[in-house]
Amino acid sequence: AQSVTQPDIHITVSEGASLELRCNYSYGATPYLFWYVQSPGQGLQLLLKYFSGDTLVQGIKGFEAEFKRSQSSFNLRKPSVHWSDAAEYFCAVGPQGGSEKLVFGKGTKLTVNP
Amino acid sequence: GAGVSQSPSNKVTEKGKDVELRCDPISGHTALYWYRQRLGQGLEFLIYFQGNSAPDKSGLPSDRFSAERTGESVSTLTIQRTQQEDSAVYLCASSLDGRYGYTFGSGTRLTVV
Repeated sequence: AQSVTQPDIHITVSEGASLELRCNYSYGATPYLFWYVQSPGQGLQLLLKYFSGDTLVQGIKGFEAEFKRSQSSFNLRKPSVHWSDAAEYFCAVGPQGGSEKLVFGKGTKLTVNP
Repeated sequence: GAGVSQSPSNKVTEKGKDVELRCDPISGHTALYWYRQRLGQGLEFLIYFQGNSAPDKSGLPSDRFSAERTGESVSTLTIQRTQQEDSAVYLCASSLDGRYGYTFGSGTRLTVV
């Protein structure tokens, strides 16, 4: 069965610093990979997705992620973090079987210090 | 509508009562999903609808949970005889094709007291 691991439960960075959030997945075929962001009290917003082609994908809000098949990773990066980026970030992989459902990691909470 | 709408946004219920949670997907989205998010946890898949059919309901945790969808639109998640462990945020999402990502609603926060 497919699975997603986000090794870091909580990360704190200073505003303006660079950011990398880790995501490792287990999947039998070429995966569809996603990063979502959830602000407090809100639903999840899609940041970016990968399903084929260029392994470096650009998303909204200045985020990017790189798919590395050899490492089964899909890490999220941002060169300079803004205070408004404080939120919880979820990596997801799918689809599974015929249901098109996504499997999510447990999330990484990002705190941004001024 | 413009987005996925869920109601109510908050629900407090007594243990043993039944609750209904509603989801209005984006118009034209044939796929609809329910997930549960417990405090400090990731998203737990509950059920997937394609049209009005549910080809995957493998995530429903017990027979107290059921869901239906009508008119290839609104979906209702029903929890009977609620228990304290049912307390969570229930998220609904919809999609034209789930392989390319979902659009989520803001969720219903359910508290069982």
